[in-house]
Amino acid sequence: AQRVTQPEKLLSVFKGAPVELKCNYSYSGSPELFWYVQYSRQRLQLLLRHISRESIKGFTADLNKGETSFHLKKPFAQEEDSAMYYCAPANNDMRFGAGTRLTVKP
Amino acid sequence: EAQVTQNPRYLITVTGKKLTVTCSQNMNHEYMSWYRQDPGLGLRQIYYSMNVEVTDKGDVPEGYKVSRKEKRNFPLILESPSPNQTSLYFCASRFLRDSYEQYFGPGTRLTVT
Repeated sequence: AQRVTQPEKLLSVFKGAPVELKCNYSYSGSPELFWYVQYSRQRLQLLLRHISRESIKGFTADLNKGETSFHLKKPFAQEEDSAMYYCAPANNDMRFGAGTRLTVKP
Repeated sequence: EAQVTQNPRYLITVTGKKLTVTCSQNMNHEYMSWYRQDPGLGLRQIYYSMNVEVTDKGDVPEGYKVSRKEKRNFPLILESPSPNQTSLYFCASRFLRDSYEQYFGPGTRLTVT
């Protein structure tokens, strides 16, 4: 099965600091990956997908095949970025990573 | 409005009392799935369905049943709930041959005492 790993369960940064949420995948081929976000008391929603190479809310994620990673980055974190972030492969069984809870402190 | 709905949103029940959580989507999605979300464990898939009458186990199927008799509905059944099934449950759906983006329901918070 195609799997992703998010090694950090918790991540805390100060407002304005750069943030990087890690995601590693453990399968070969041409992976397609997503980042989903869950704000407090809300449902999960798609943040971005790697095939679109877009920037959403200042976040970007680049697929690094050499390191088998798809880390989510933002140069200047904002308090409203505090949320739960999940990395997920785009395949039939959609097994999400364990998630990283990001807290941005004022 | 395109959406995934779940009912009930909150449920407190006792051990052993059968319950069903309904999930419905109005987007004509072939694929539907159930997840449970627990602190420190993230989102774990229970079951998924790629179309009517086709269901498969996810990572944590024990103690759960599902059925997919209609395309729009994918109920989650707990025949004999136990306290370790206390959790936040999410239903999701998507097209099979699209970008795999999943649309999630609002969640059902279940407490089994």
